Amino acid sequence: GESVGLHLPTLSVQEGDNSIINCAYSNSASDYFIWYKQESGKGPQFIIDIRSNMDKRQGQRVTVLLNKTVKHLSLQIAATQPGDSAVYFCAVPRYTGNQFYFGTGTSLTVIP
Amino acid sequence: DAGITQSPRHKVTETGTPVTLRCHQTENHRYMYWYRQDPGHGLRLIHYSYGVKDTDKGEVSDGYSVSRSKTEDFLLTLESATSSQTSVYFCAISTGNEQFFGPGTRLTVL
Repeated sequence: GESVGLHLPTLSVQEGDNSIINCAYSNSASDYFIWYKQESGKGPQFIIDIRSNMDKRQGQRVTVLLNKTVKHLSLQIAATQPGDSAVYFCAVPRYTGNQFYFGTGTSLTVIP
Repeated sequence: DAGITQSPRHKVTETGTPVTLRCHQTENHRYMYWYRQDPGHGLRLIHYSYGVKDTDKGEVSDGYSVSRSKTEDFLLTLESATSSQTSVYFCAISTGNEQFFGPGTRLTVL
C-alpha cells in the first residue's frame, strides 16, 4: 500500500543556516502534498502545500520542492531560527474519506 | 487552530477503566478524525466521521469506538483501557484539501 517516509529522524542546524527536510512517497498517482510542523506539546500545524503540477512552491522562508520522477519532496527553511525547532512531517492524501498518510517526522533542532 | 478543542488535555487512568475523549469544533466541518501519535510512528488514524452518526474505522480501530451525535462533537471511547493505549490523541477536521489538528490529549494508562 501507500507509504510515506522521511529520510532523517533528526536534524541539527546552526541558527541562520538553511535547513532541508526530505520526504519520500510511494504512490506515483499522488497529486497533492502537505508539510506540517509540530512543536513540542502541540498539535501539527499546516505549513505549506504543493500540487503535482508544480515543481516548487515558496512561502515565507519556506520552499517545497517536488520531484515526481523519484517521488520525493523536500522542505527548505531559509535562515533557520530557534522558533523553527520542531518535528516536521509530510502528508499525502489517501483519497478515501478525506484521509491522509503521514510520515514519521524529522525532528529539527536549531543550535543558537 | 480552526476552532478545535480537545478535552481533557491530560488524563491518567487505570487498566480496565472506560475513558472518553472529546473533540469539539466551532466551524461546522463535515469530516472529523481521531489519530494517535506514538514514537516511531506517524499519525495513525483510529476512526473518522463524515457526518452526524456517520463514522468509519481507520487503521488502528481495535479497542476504540466513536460517536458523533452533533456536527460539532466527536467522541472517542476506550471501553476498557489497556497500557498499549497510552498515547497522545489528536482530533482533526478536514476542509477538503487540508487537515487541521486540535492541541492533543495525553493519555496514560497504568
